[in-house]
Amino acid sequence: DTGVSQDPRHKITKRGQNVTFRCDPISEHNRLYWYRQTLGQGPEFLTYFQNEAQLEKSRLLSDRFSAERPKGSFSTLEIQRTEQGDSAMYLCASQENYGYTFGSGTRLTVV
Amino acid sequence: DQQVKQNSPSLSVQEGRISILNCDYTNSMFDYFLWYKKYPAEGPTFLISISSIKDKNEDGRFTVFLNKSAKHLSLHIVPSQPGDSAVYFCAASASLNAGGTSYGKLTFGQGTILTVHP
Repeated sequence: DTGVSQDPRHKITKRGQNVTFRCDPISEHNRLYWYRQTLGQGPEFLTYFQNEAQLEKSRLLSDRFSAERPKGSFSTLEIQRTEQGDSAMYLCASQENYGYTFGSGTRLTVV
Repeated sequence: DQQVKQNSPSLSVQEGRISILNCDYTNSMFDYFLWYKKYPAEGPTFLISISSIKDKNEDGRFTVFLNKSAKHLSLHIVPSQPGDSAVYFCAASASLNAGGTSYGKLTFGQGTILTVHP
């Protein structure tokens, strides 16, 4: 087990394009979280899954954002019609009891 | 509404001395607190945590103190080493379960950049 994997590590996209990120959690972890981190700030909670069920979404998650976790394994986060304000580091974390492990993140730059 | 605040954006310390990083919170429902360390281009790495039923937790060179009445926690690193140079985030959770075996989403502070000089 190599921890939480995120793909891609970096993404540069033009404003208005759609992007999709993938997160592969630690295999036995049933909770999966998405956070967003902008420059000079701490990570901010976006959404989380318990197995395949999406249990909570932040008000930060506008209707352009959608997250899925089919079959309770990997998760995807899609941003439609990207805006420059979406530029950030998108972090995924998985959890089993006290084990809360972050991936290395996907750095999104919208130009 | 910044529920977790780290008021010092940066801290510079000499190697071998103590580093003290501070964190304040406003939400009385927070019952589990964590400190993370982050290097550029990497995700946060867990350092140490404390439950609200305790006021101190130690792990090697790292000690976290919790003052619930002041809604304040601090991380002490003794002795500080150059490899400790990183951004440190405190985080809080309001969802520690009844058995104390799990917690949920985290609310983070803005981070403090620690630089330890040789």
